[in-house]
Amino acid sequence: GENVEQHPSTLSVQEGDSAVIKCTYSDSASNYFPWYKQELGKRPQLIIDIRSNVGEKKDQRIAVTLNKTAKHFSLHITETQPEDSAVYFCAASKITGGGNKLTFGTGTQLKVEL
Amino acid sequence: DAGVTQSPTHLIKTRGQQVTLRCSPKSGHDTVSWYQQALGQGPQFIFQYYEEEERQRGNFPDRFSGHQFPNYSSELNVNALLLGDSALYLCASSYSSPNSPLHFGNGTRLTVT
Repeated sequence: GENVEQHPSTLSVQEGDSAVIKCTYSDSASNYFPWYKQELGKRPQLIIDIRSNVGEKKDQRIAVTLNKTAKHFSLHITETQPEDSAVYFCAASKITGGGNKLTFGTGTQLKVEL
Repeated sequence: DAGVTQSPTHLIKTRGQQVTLRCSPKSGHDTVSWYQQALGQGPQFIFQYYEEEERQRGNFPDRFSGHQFPNYSSELNVNALLLGDSALYLCASSYSSPNSPLHFGNGTRLTVT
């Protein structure tokens, strides 16, 4: 089955700096890659996603890049703010007759320091 | 527009007991998935229901079973609870179309003692 590895496990940046989280996946058939943000005690919330027919997607301060050949994708957060502090999860899935079964990475604890 | 709702929010059970967790999907969604999130880990896929049938299943034993009702709501049942079943159980709903984004509920925190 699919295996998703995520690095780093913890990341500390100064407010205003950029943060980058990287993930690799094993199944070349995977074609959907969402990123979720989970604040302490709260639900995972989708912040951005990318499909395999696109190499990059941007939404304000957040961007995701995908390298299908290398089977890795990354989350980029620019101009970080204290409210960006949370655990971020990458995930991967492939079409299997409808719906989606997400395989998640182990998460990155991002801390934005003042 | 209500999002995904789960009940109860917290639950404490003893080893060997059985538990039922409930989920109501986001309005308009017809597919429900269940995930188990151990402390400090990413969510792990348990199974997915669509049209009242289990459509996909992860690597979980038969002690984990589920059901989907005609109104798309769903239940997760776990029998013969083990200490290792202690986790946050997340329900996520989506449309049935491929790669429809998942919307998660707040989860049920299950503690097995």
